[in-house]
Amino acid sequence: EDQVTQSPEALRLQEGESSSLNCSYTVSGLRGLFWYRQDPGKGPEFLFTLYSAGEEKEKERLKATLTKKESFLHITAPKPEDSATYLCAVQDSAAGNKLTFGGGTRVLVKP
Amino acid sequence: DSGVTQTPKHLITATGQRVTLRCSPRSGDLSVYWYQQSLDQGLQFLIQYYNGEERAKGNILERFSAQQFPDLHSELNLSSLELGDSALYFCASSPSGTHTEAFFGQGTRLTVV
Repeated sequence: EDQVTQSPEALRLQEGESSSLNCSYTVSGLRGLFWYRQDPGKGPEFLFTLYSAGEEKEKERLKATLTKKESFLHITAPKPEDSATYLCAVQDSAAGNKLTFGGGTRVLVKP
Repeated sequence: DSGVTQTPKHLITATGQRVTLRCSPRSGDLSVYWYQQSLDQGLQFLIQYYNGEERAKGNILERFSAQQFPDLHSELNLSSLELGDSALYFCASSPSGTHTEAFFGQGTRLTVV
C-alpha cells in the first residue's frame, strides 16, 4: 500500500528564516509527486509536479526536489504570506493512478 | 477564484440520508476529481472522471458514487450517511487526465447529525 509521510507536522519560522519540509513516500510505480498549498477553509492550490529523481522545480521562494524515497520543499527567506499547510501527494501508476496524500505540514511564519 | 464551482457550500443532514454534491469544472477542463478531507483522515482522493469516463479510483466507499455528465459537470452522491462522513468534500479539475495543475473548488462542508 502506498504511504506518504510528511514532517514536521508543524513548523514555526521567523520571517526570513529558511527551512525545509520533508515528504517521504513508498509507492509501487511513481507517476508523479505533487506539492500543494492549502489555506484554512480553502481548497488546495497546486504548486509543483515532480516526475523523476533528481528533478527540481522553483516558484518564487519555494523549491521542490525529488529523490527515489523522498521530496523536499525548501522555503527560502519566508514571508508571513507563506503561512499555510503544505501537502504532498504521490500518484501510483501501478494502482490505477490512485493519489495518496500525506498529512501535511502546517507552516507559520511570524513577522 | 479557481474557476471550479461547487454547490452547495454547506450541507447539514441526518444519518441515513442521501445527498448530492455538484461540481462545475473550469471551462475547457476535461478531468474532474473528488476528494474528502476530514480532521482525522486528512485529504483523501476519492475518484477521477475524464471526459465522462471513470479514470482513477481511490478510497471511495460503496455508499458513494459519482458521475460526469456530457457538459462535463460532475456529481458526487453520498448515501446511507453516517456521522463519520462529515467532512469537507473538494472537487478539482484539470485540462488533461493527470493531476498536474489541478485547480480546486472551495469545497462543500457536509455535516451529518
